[in-house]
Amino acid sequence: GAVVSQHPSWVICKSGTSVKIECRSLDFQATTMFWYRQFPKQSLMLMATSNEGSKATYEQGVEKDKFLINHASLTLSTLTVTSAHPEDSSFYICSATGGGAADTQYFGPGTRLTVL
Amino acid sequence: AQTVTQSQPEMSVQEAETVTLSCTYDTSENNYYLFWYKQPPSRQMILVIRQEAYKQQNATENRFSVNFQKAAKSFSLKISDSQLGDTAMYFCAFMEHTGNQFYFGTGTSLTVIP
Repeated sequence: GAVVSQHPSWVICKSGTSVKIECRSLDFQATTMFWYRQFPKQSLMLMATSNEGSKATYEQGVEKDKFLINHASLTLSTLTVTSAHPEDSSFYICSATGGGAADTQYFGPGTRLTVL
Repeated sequence: AQTVTQSQPEMSVQEAETVTLSCTYDTSENNYYLFWYKQPPSRQMILVIRQEAYKQQNATENRFSVNFQKAAKSFSLKISDSQLGDTAMYFCAFMEHTGNQFYFGTGTSLTVIP
């Protein structure tokens, strides 16, 4: 149980385009989802926290107009990187809590974004 | 503010041996949760073990066990009978009982040597 999926696992895009990453909880209702960014050999950096049906809460220094987060249902959250630039290239990971897993975060497999 | 410290950036252990990864944290809270996550080369974060602060008994999951010292704010992970598949980054994490935000340590890169 407590499986979280992400799609796509790897995406390459041109500078200036937008990219959408999906995060789904497959076997539980995720009342809260988290989006992280991870640079090579570093820890996870929390970007934002989203609760179903409400606006995401962004961490200090994260541009909310650039990283659009939508948590439209209890099983789906999306992160859209708008007007992507090479410096946005990174590994993005989502996690979710909810239901019987309310006090533990379960992580998706991550999405590698490369912006050319 | 909550902080989580992992003082060992890299460690190695011989296959079948035992290794202990250290983690300390700082909090003024009395009730909270502690976690160890494993991130292998695939980069999938995998929950290894979870400890509730109000429980005195140390959590155990097969070859993985913790030494939870609440007064010292220490939460070390012991891996027994190390296997090649244990090679990964290990992150210690803290969460307040009333919140849902995790605070991660900087990670320890563990290599199991055949």
